[in-house]
Amino acid sequence: QKEVEQNSGPLSVPEGAIASLNCTYSDRGSQSFFWYRQYSGKSPELIMFIYSNGDKEDGRFTAQLNKASQYVSLLIRDSQPSDSATYLCAVPGGSQGNLIFGKGTKLSVKP
Amino acid sequence: SAVISQKPSRDICQRGTSLTIQCQVDSQVTMMFWYRQQPGQSLTLIATANQGSEATYESGFVIDKFPISRPNLTFSTLTVSNMSPEDSSIYLCSVEETGGQPQHFGDGTRLSIL
Repeated sequence: QKEVEQNSGPLSVPEGAIASLNCTYSDRGSQSFFWYRQYSGKSPELIMFIYSNGDKEDGRFTAQLNKASQYVSLLIRDSQPSDSATYLCAVPGGSQGNLIFGKGTKLSVKP
Repeated sequence: SAVISQKPSRDICQRGTSLTIQCQVDSQVTMMFWYRQQPGQSLTLIATANQGSEATYESGFVIDKFPISRPNLTFSTLTVSNMSPEDSSIYLCSVEETGGQPQHFGDGTRLSIL
C-alpha cells in the first residue's frame, strides 16, 4: 500500500518569509509528484508537479525532488496571506491512474 | 486542461435518502475518478469509472452504497445511497487526461446529512 506522509501543521510563517512544506512517500518506484493547494471549503487546485530529481520553479513556487531520499518539498517564497491554505502532496496510486494523497499541511501566513 | 463541472455544488439531505452527483467534462476522457474528503481529512478514492465497464471500487467502498454510472466519455454519476451522517463529506470528481497531464478536480459536492 503506497503511502504519502506530510506534517499536518499548522505551519505558521510571517508575510514575506519562505514557507517550506515537506512530503515523504513510501514507493521508491514513484515517478511523478504533485502539489495541490486547497482553500477552506474549496476543491484542490494543482499548483506544481515534478518528475525529475532537483528543483522546478514556477513563479514564487519551487518544488524539490530527491528520489534517493523519497522526499519532495514545496517552497513558497515571499509568502502572502493569500497563500494560507492546506497543501496536499500526491503520487500516482497504481494501474487505475488515481492519486494517493497525504493528509495535507495547513499553512498560515500572518500579515 | 479539461474543464470539470459537478452538480449539485452542495446539498443537505435527510438520513436514509439517496443523492446522485453528476460530473461533466468538456472533452472525452478515458478514466474518471470519484474521491471523498471527510471533514478535516485528505482525499480518499472511492472508485474509478471506465466507460463501457463496471466501476472499480477501492477497499471499504461497495457498489450498493456508491453506485456509479459512466454512460459515455464525458459524463459520470455517483450516487450516495441510504445516507447517514457519516456520509457528510465533500465528493470530488477528477479525470485522467491524455498525455499524462496531471489530474484536475471539479469544484466538488458538499454533502451534509441530517
